[in-house]
Amino acid sequence: EPEVTQTPSHQVTQMGQEVILRCVPISNHLYFYWYRQILGQKVEFLVSFYNNEISEKSEIFDDQFSVERPDGSNFTLKIRSTKLEDSAMYFCASSFARANQPQHFGDGTRLSIL
Amino acid sequence: KQEVTQIPAALSVPEGENLVLNCSFTDSAIYNLQWFRQDPGKGLTSLLLIQSSQREQTSGRLNASLDKSSGRSTLYIAASQPGDSATYLCAVRAGGTSYGKLTFGQGTILTVHP
Repeated sequence: EPEVTQTPSHQVTQMGQEVILRCVPISNHLYFYWYRQILGQKVEFLVSFYNNEISEKSEIFDDQFSVERPDGSNFTLKIRSTKLEDSAMYFCASSFARANQPQHFGDGTRLSIL
Repeated sequence: KQEVTQIPAALSVPEGENLVLNCSFTDSAIYNLQWFRQDPGKGLTSLLLIQSSQREQTSGRLNASLDKSSGRSTLYIAASQPGDSATYLCAVRAGGTSYGKLTFGQGTILTVHP
């Protein structure tokens, strides 16, 4: 069964550094998402991406965050200048349609900011 | 603002029991509701997607029901097994102009002991 794959599985970065989290969504999917889960808290929506542009974002997704689909297969989340509070598990998800198809999630990248 | 609540927070049952997990949401204007399973340190595995026009969905030993007007969903697990031990999350997909944003509950931690 097709999967969403994320790399790396664990990223350790110094505060203030830039980090790029990578995702390969399911190949025929059209909608892409990033979520995060701070330890012990709920999974939170960050951003959705469709047709090569951001379609929706949360208040968490400020100017420090950006997303890109640099080619036909990868989908990336960049954090420009990391803060301690960015430490979380980041999940990429994809779906074929906006509303009536399930979102499929990757195994996540654990981001640790020192 | 949509709020999703799951009860109980944790549940421990002997193998073979039938059990019910509950999910409630505050805004009934949803497209659908998705149930996920999360194993420790892993991503989210989609279990069932139930559309707002549907009353229930079944997959194997799992049955999800939805009462949109009262803002409630239940996940019924029949004949539980130790391999069912995991955190179960429900998430609602916003209606209207949203591009598929999911709002999650905090999860129910299920332990099935032999």
